[in-house]
Amino acid sequence: RKEVEQDPGPFNVPEGATVAFNCTYSNSASQSFFWYRQDCRKEPKLLMSVYSSGNEDGRFTAQLNRASQYISLLIRDSKLSDSATYLCAVNVLRGQNFVFGPGTRLSVLP
Amino acid sequence: SAVISQKPSRDICQRGTSLTIQCQVDSQVTMMFWYRQQPGQSLTLIATANQGSEATYESGFVIDKFPISRPNLTFSTLTVSNMSPEDSSIYLCSVEDPGRSSYEQYFGPGTRLTVT
Repeated sequence: RKEVEQDPGPFNVPEGATVAFNCTYSNSASQSFFWYRQDCRKEPKLLMSVYSSGNEDGRFTAQLNRASQYISLLIRDSKLSDSATYLCAVNVLRGQNFVFGPGTRLSVLP
Repeated sequence: SAVISQKPSRDICQRGTSLTIQCQVDSQVTMMFWYRQQPGQSLTLIATANQGSEATYESGFVIDKFPISRPNLTFSTLTVSNMSPEDSSIYLCSVEDPGRSSYEQYFGPGTRLTVT
C-alpha cells in the first residue's frame, strides 16, 4: 500500500460546481497535513494546511479525520482558474520530508 | 514565505555528462530538501540536506549519482551525475519556512532537465 493515496482523476466539472477530493495516508504517526496546488509546468504551491478541527479559506474547506486516516479538500463554486493538479502531503515530524500523494487533476469547464 | 530561486531553470544535456543545480533561499533555513518529479508523476524525495552534515538519501538514491552540497544556511546544490535519459525530470528544492510555527514547506521553481 502506498503511503499516501488520492482519488484518481481527472475530475472534469462545470464552473460553479462543488468538487471534493480525498486523500488517505497509511502512517498513523503522521502529524501534519497539507494540500498543494500544482499548475502545469510549475512548482507545487501551498494551498492550505489541514488542521484537526478543519479549516476554511474562502471557497476551500479542508477536513482531517485521524481515525480513518484521511484528509479532504472541498472546493465550492469552482472557477476556471481552479483547474490544476491537487496534491496532498503528509509528514511525521517537523523538519522531515513530506510524502506526497500522486495528485488529482481538476479541470473546470466553462 | 521564504523566496526560493533555482538555477538553471532548464537544461538539455547529453548522456554521460553532469549537471549541478543551485538552490538559493532568501533566509536562513535548517533543512533543505531535494525532490524529483518525473513526467506525469508526483514528487519523490531524493535527499535531505542539513548544513554542516552529510545529506541523507532516500531509498533508491545514492550519493555518487546525486551528490549534494550545503555550504551554508541559504544555499544548496544538487548534482545529477553521469546522466542518462531516465534522469530527465523536474528537480525541485524545498525548505521549511523558518518564520512559521507550522510545518509548511515551500518549493523553488524547479529545474527542468532533459537528457538526450
